[in-house]
Amino acid sequence: GAGVSQSPSNKVTEKGKDVELRCDPISGHTALYWYRQRLGQGLEFLIYFQGNSAPDKSGLPSDRFSAERTGESVSTLTIQRTQQEDSAVYLCASSPGAGSGNTIYFGEGSWLTVV
Amino acid sequence: AQSVTQLDSQVPVFEEAPVELRCNYSSSVSVYLFWYVQYPNQGLQLLLKYLSGSTLVESINGFEAEFNKSQTSFHLRKPSVHISDTAEYFCAVTPTPAGNKLTFGGGTRVLVKP
Repeated sequence: GAGVSQSPSNKVTEKGKDVELRCDPISGHTALYWYRQRLGQGLEFLIYFQGNSAPDKSGLPSDRFSAERTGESVSTLTIQRTQQEDSAVYLCASSPGAGSGNTIYFGEGSWLTVV
Repeated sequence: AQSVTQLDSQVPVFEEAPVELRCNYSSSVSVYLFWYVQYPNQGLQLLLKYLSGSTLVESINGFEAEFNKSQTSFHLRKPSVHISDTAEYFCAVTPTPAGNKLTFGGGTRVLVKP
């Protein structure tokens, strides 16, 4: 597709379950980012990929959170043993490269609700 | 590390009135600056960005922002708003020249009233 695609768009899960969120970046974009947006708050950086490696994972809030990227394309964000405070919109973004002048394009997000 | 402060969480404004959204940042290194907009039920879209050159940058839909290095600000303005400008606006920075992540402000929700 033409833009960053995320799935699922909405996910309701029970506390303690694991969830996987998927991101398909724009074709050819080597840089991929995950952000989290809690209700009424700004965006929090989670992790950054350049190719398949993650040089910056400083924003992952705990060891329950992990992410991987394969084939310099699709990325999966996994949250294990979900907690209610994990409820948020998880936004994926991509850009043509790591240079900070590059425009970063965002997907529409995956809404996660932990009940 | 960088931080971004958007002083107004909500800005109600009447249609055809001007609006200014304030953004201040803190950084120990040079930064690039961005404004993103999030329309209801849509993803974030880049509105405009400052990389270098003229400190006044404009978007295609009438918004402009001015980079003020001495005041570490990047305020967003529009002289006459439309109903369709109702959205949440986010200011963001990234370090130059090889920054790899955006640091966002908390957002300003603009509600344009008829």
